[in-house]
Amino acid sequence: QVQLVESGGDVVQPGMSLRLSCAASGFTFNTFAIYWVRQAPGKGLEWVALISSDGSAIHYADSVKGRVSISRDNPKNTLYLHMNSLRAEDTAVYYCARASSSDSYYRHFDYWGQGALVTVSS
Amino acid sequence: DIVMTQSPDSLAVSLGERATINCKSSQSVLYSSNKRNYLAWYQQKPGQPPKVLIYWASTRESGVPDRFSGSGSGTDFALTISSLQAEDVAVYYCQQYYSSPLTFGGGTKVEIK
Repeated sequence: QVQLVESGGDVVQPGMSLRLSCAASGFTFNTFAIYWVRQAPGKGLEWVALISSDGSAIHYADSVKGRVSISRDNPKNTLYLHMNSLRAEDTAVYYCARASSSDSYYRHFDYWGQGALVTVSS
Repeated sequence: DIVMTQSPDSLAVSLGERATINCKSSQSVLYSSNKRNYLAWYQQKPGQPPKVLIYWASTRESGVPDRFSGSGSGTDFALTISSLQAEDVAVYYCQQYYSSPLTFGGGTKVEIK
């Protein structure tokens, strides 16, 4: 079955960096686009970034552009989110999610991980 | 950017009654070449990740009870729960996947009256 498992969440100080990972299994990882979505405590969902199946197309939300980098290692079936210059407002649960089909990254999200909590606090 | 506006923010409905959530996009999410609306609905229960209920505005995800239905086209959409059950207590989000940035509505909390 399809599984997405995030890791790397931590408590960090403002200005520091962090890398989240998302380990995928149960499907052909290198044929699907993957997304990062975050949710601040008690708030709604915010899409953060997407990466196409082969990594050739990458998009970011304006709120993180320039501070965040999404990447993937297809042979390792793993997605990454490198976050720099972290701010208090980046505190959130970060979910990875899969595109519902392999033909485009403009698709709904059909599988989600359980999330990784990132807390930015001094 | 396409802004997704949901209403109401919260909704209290008696068991067995109908619940309707509205979602309006700031521009059309109907793709002319394939006549599909790039609009999905998700359900999120406390402590869980979101779960897709409806995609292409009106296609029910496999395994989703048929009391959930989606409607609308262009810029105006709705999610209807025809007969609210206790397990439907959750926050519901609409999302457009027509263009980047992909955007979500603010969410509607559904409770039992």
